[in-house]
Amino acid sequence: EAQVTQNPRYLITVTGKKLTVTCSQNMNHEYMSWYRQDPGLGLRQIYYSMNVEVTDKGDVPEGYKVSRKEKRNFPLILESPSPNQTSLYFCASSKRVDTEAFFGQGTRLTVV
Amino acid sequence: EDQVTQSPEALRLQEGESSSLNCSYTVSGLRGLFWYRQDPGKGPEFLFTLYSAGEEKEKERLKATLTKKESFLHITAPKPEDSATYLCAVQAGGADGLTFGKGTHLIIQP
Repeated sequence: EAQVTQNPRYLITVTGKKLTVTCSQNMNHEYMSWYRQDPGLGLRQIYYSMNVEVTDKGDVPEGYKVSRKEKRNFPLILESPSPNQTSLYFCASSKRVDTEAFFGQGTRLTVV
Repeated sequence: EDQVTQSPEALRLQEGESSSLNCSYTVSGLRGLFWYRQDPGKGPEFLFTLYSAGEEKEKERLKATLTKKESFLHITAPKPEDSATYLCAVQAGGADGLTFGKGTHLIIQP
């Protein structure tokens, strides 16, 4: 089954404690991205990757890092999380930037 | 800056009562306009892609249309299972991903 898998689904952490949210896709897609979704603000892109070893900032990249060492994986790293990063996070993948994106189930992160 | 505005923010309909959701956009060179459905606590689920003005696509009770300034998602004879938040997004060239609207929360009452 074609899918994008994120882990964990839920995470509560404390300010400053480094964390990684994993994302994996099984569709051999080249384009992957991370979004955060906040009430009243909608979905906003954090980072994206055109292909292996090619990443770039989206609209709200501050406080986040990503890496793309393999085509299927695109982890999101918060090196020093802060409460304003409490949000619902989605990973997405697509064949190209202008084709339909497949989204993961989401990761609900709470930073206290 | 690319902008996507969806209206209404929320819509409550009776089962079988047809209506339309609007998505107006301002972009510098539209590559594609996308409609997604999102159920509570889940990731957006792809519905349609429209690439050029005049294009239309249909799937069951849903039909999406596109002009140079806006897109409509028409819902014909909706059922309660059509209740969800419907998201519109644009891809405007370059490597940037999707710019989303804030969505229309649709409730279909039996």
